[in-house]
Amino acid sequence: AQRVTQPEKLLSVFKGAPVELKCNYSYSGSPELFWYVQYSRQRLQLLLRHISRESIKGFTADLNKGETSFHLKKPFAQEEDSAMYYCALGYFGNEKLTFGTGTRLTIIP
Amino acid sequence: NAGVTQTPKFRVLKTGQSMTLLCAQDMNHEYMYWYRQDPGMGLRLIHYSVGEGTTAKGEVPDGYNVSRLKKQNFLLGLESAAPSQTSVYFCASNPSDSYGYTFGSGTRLTVV
Repeated sequence: AQRVTQPEKLLSVFKGAPVELKCNYSYSGSPELFWYVQYSRQRLQLLLRHISRESIKGFTADLNKGETSFHLKKPFAQEEDSAMYYCALGYFGNEKLTFGTGTRLTIIP
Repeated sequence: NAGVTQTPKFRVLKTGQSMTLLCAQDMNHEYMYWYRQDPGMGLRLIHYSVGEGTTAKGEVPDGYNVSRLKKQNFLLGLESAAPSQTSVYFCASNPSDSYGYTFGSGTRLTVV
């Protein structure tokens, strides 16, 4: 069965410092990987999907199949990045995503 | 365009009481899901539906029932609430050709 691991429950970073939120997965086939974000008092929303290869709000994520990772990165953290971040995995033929346990990111002013 | 609407937003139940959470979407999405969010455990799938009249069990279905009589609505029922069901419940919908989930704003349920 597929599994998504986010090893850090909490992560604090100073404003202006680089951010990296870790995500590792286990799945034997070709996965689709996503990052979802939940800002305070807001609903979960899609931040990134690996097939899009895009940068949203300065965040990027690269799928590394060799290391089975999909880490989320941003070179310079901003206070508005404070939120809960979830990594999620899906695959062709499966109607549902498997979510990790989430990482709460706090940006220190 | 409301997206995904959940009602109620908050509820306190006594052990053994029953209730129904309603999820409504106006995007004509085929797939709908119910997740629960607990500290340290992330989002866990309770039940889901791939179309009107269909339902399927997720990761943690025990103690819950669901129905999808209309495409736009997905109901989650608790027949006899237990303190272990204290959680934040999220509904989501998805078109059948992508994983672009749209989430509702959540229902915070406390069972005392």
